[in-house]
Amino acid sequence: SQQGEEDPQALSIQEGENATMNCSYKTSINNLQWYRQNSGRGLVHLILIRSNEREKHSGRLRVTLDTSKKSSSLLITASRAADTASYFCAPTYRGSQGNLIFGKGTKLSVKP
Amino acid sequence: GAVVSQHPSWVICKSGTSVKIECRSLDFQATTMFWYRQFPKQSLMLMATSNEGSKATYEQGVEKDKFLINHASLTLSTLTVTSAHPEDSSFYICSARRRAGTSGRGSTDTQYFGPGTRLTVL
Repeated sequence: SQQGEEDPQALSIQEGENATMNCSYKTSINNLQWYRQNSGRGLVHLILIRSNEREKHSGRLRVTLDTSKKSSSLLITASRAADTASYFCAPTYRGSQGNLIFGKGTKLSVKP
Repeated sequence: GAVVSQHPSWVICKSGTSVKIECRSLDFQATTMFWYRQFPKQSLMLMATSNEGSKATYEQGVEKDKFLINHASLTLSTLTVTSAHPEDSSFYICSARRRAGTSGRGSTDTQYFGPGTRLTVL
């Protein structure tokens, strides 16, 4: 299937700890995006990393991409209770029309 | 920038009625809009892709006569659930992709999502 596969499915940590989520995908990509969804809300775009990039930062977020392993990771540093949400990766495959297919996501729970 | 709105945010209707959901890109032009459906504790399922001025492309298993999509302008797409039934109760989310060549940050692959519409069919 074309969706990214997030791992773990659920992650529970204490406030202040770092959270790492992983994503694996199938074939060559143009880019890969990470989104966040708070319960009952729409998705919020977090970061896009292109296939020729290896690492990208945005505030407390760090995304890495390893095209040889067809995997990406999202690191949230110094987590806060407000980071509690589901996180999805969405690869955009070469030759596709840019449609995003979402996996089951990682449900992150940050306890105060 | 890149704000997408949806209206209504929630709706309750009787079985057999039709419901229209609007999706608007407020500060950018969107050549393509997407409609997703999300059941409780599940991921988003792409229903259809809507290009301005042309017919929508539906994903396999989505009835085009039941879920009518209209993308009449670069900032508005509508989804009409016709003859709604309780099994259509779900969270419907739209997203919009920026028109290539327009100003603004971000790749044209980035989709900007609306806040969603909770549909409950009694």
